[in-house]
Amino acid sequence: LAKTTQPISMDSYEGQEVNITCSHNNIATNDYITWYQQFPSQGPRFIIQGYKTKVTNEVASLFIPADRKSSTLSLPRVSLSDTAVYYCLVGDSGNTPLVFGKGTRLSVIA
Amino acid sequence: DGGITQSPKYLFRKEGQNVTLSCEQNLNHDAMYWYRQDPGQGLRLIYYSQIVNDFQKGDIAEGYSVSREKKESFPLTVTSAQKNPTAFYLCASSISGGGSQPQHFGDGTRLSIL
Repeated sequence: LAKTTQPISMDSYEGQEVNITCSHNNIATNDYITWYQQFPSQGPRFIIQGYKTKVTNEVASLFIPADRKSSTLSLPRVSLSDTAVYYCLVGDSGNTPLVFGKGTRLSVIA
Repeated sequence: DGGITQSPKYLFRKEGQNVTLSCEQNLNHDAMYWYRQDPGQGLRLIYYSQIVNDFQKGDIAEGYSVSREKKESFPLTVTSAQKNPTAFYLCASSISGGGSQPQHFGDGTRLSIL
């Protein structure tokens, strides 16, 4: 499984755009990149998934460069309710389940 | 609504007791998972099942057992052999196993030792 590396924590003010970068240098050809969000005392929630280039949904954007060795989750105009832990995972459709690291703890400040 | 239901939300165990955590899904997903989360840490995989009547150990299976007799149910038993069971337990499911299918999570069960 491709290992991922993310910053342990980040701080941001309300209304700013937040970019969280995840490094996955040994990503395999068939691997997808998936991001989850977790609030305290809740299960993680799927945010976005991509394979290459850019993916956008109503919550976030995911930027993946051509070499796919990293990816960036972009949260536009964050609010206090975006304070959470964000996990980056890499895996394919094979039988091996994903591995959750410690994630990035985002704190949004008023 | 479709989803995953974990029960109970809080559970207390006496030393030497086995306890079973319930996980039910009505998403018609083939794969189900159990994770453990300790304070300030990420999720660690205990067991997973990709199909009924089959399951595999994850990274920290010692002291735990599971069964998958029905597609919608994947109960986890924390046995007395698990010496440090106090943690937040999360159940998840996905359409199929592997890393390309997003996982759907329950709201967790918090287990504490009396």
